[in-house]
Amino acid sequence: QSVLTQPPSVSEAPGQRVTISCTGSSSNIGTGYDVHWYQQLPGTAPKLLISANTNRPSGVPDRFSGSRSGTSASLTITGLQAEDEADYYCQSYDSRLRGVVFGGGTKLTVL
Amino acid sequence: QVQLQQWGAGLLKASETLSLTCAVYGGSFSGYYWSWIRQPPGKGLEWIGEINHSGSTNYIPSLKSRVTISVDTSQNQFSLRLTSVTASDTAVYYCARGYYWHFDVWGRGTLVTVSS
Repeated sequence: QSVLTQPPSVSEAPGQRVTISCTGSSSNIGTGYDVHWYQQLPGTAPKLLISANTNRPSGVPDRFSGSRSGTSASLTITGLQAEDEADYYCQSYDSRLRGVVFGGGTKLTVL
Repeated sequence: QVQLQQWGAGLLKASETLSLTCAVYGGSFSGYYWSWIRQPPGKGLEWIGEINHSGSTNYIPSLKSRVTISVDTSQNQFSLRLTSVTASDTAVYYCARGYYWHFDVWGRGTLVTVSS
């Protein structure tokens, strides 16, 4: 069971908007530790999608956005495209475990 | 552009020691933490631990008794050793560059299979 909780799967039609949640606790997101998001295409290494809650690395389309509030964070993808079909992971730091923690991952299906 | 190239044995027997190395090309080695992250087949990501250029390490508590991460600054490389492996250690192991607690550069991954 992951320290950060994500829905196992979400699905939406092309062109639509989808939001993936990431719920933590007072020892990680709730303490103020940043949340980061990764996209993992099948058979490949994860790729940094959003850093420090809201920042998009160079090359990441502005269709991807992140937010954090309280003990939760979310990743929003607008204008869904078939190529967005992937697994998405949130990640933060946990002061109780004294280390990096990941969410269990969310599989996005573009219908 | 920074690239991470990793290598190591892909097939082990239970009780053996896993050993992987990751080389950093095209960028600074200092100023970052260098991590190992694993992903069991069909499952999520698990951070194993990290090291910086000075050799300062942090490990996930559940693996701390079996894990050693070391660094060779002369070669811009860092390595993972995991002792007494079992089938539950079967996973794709990734090396990654850590910057302010996130990972911006990843290796391609090495599948390590532990057979009984």
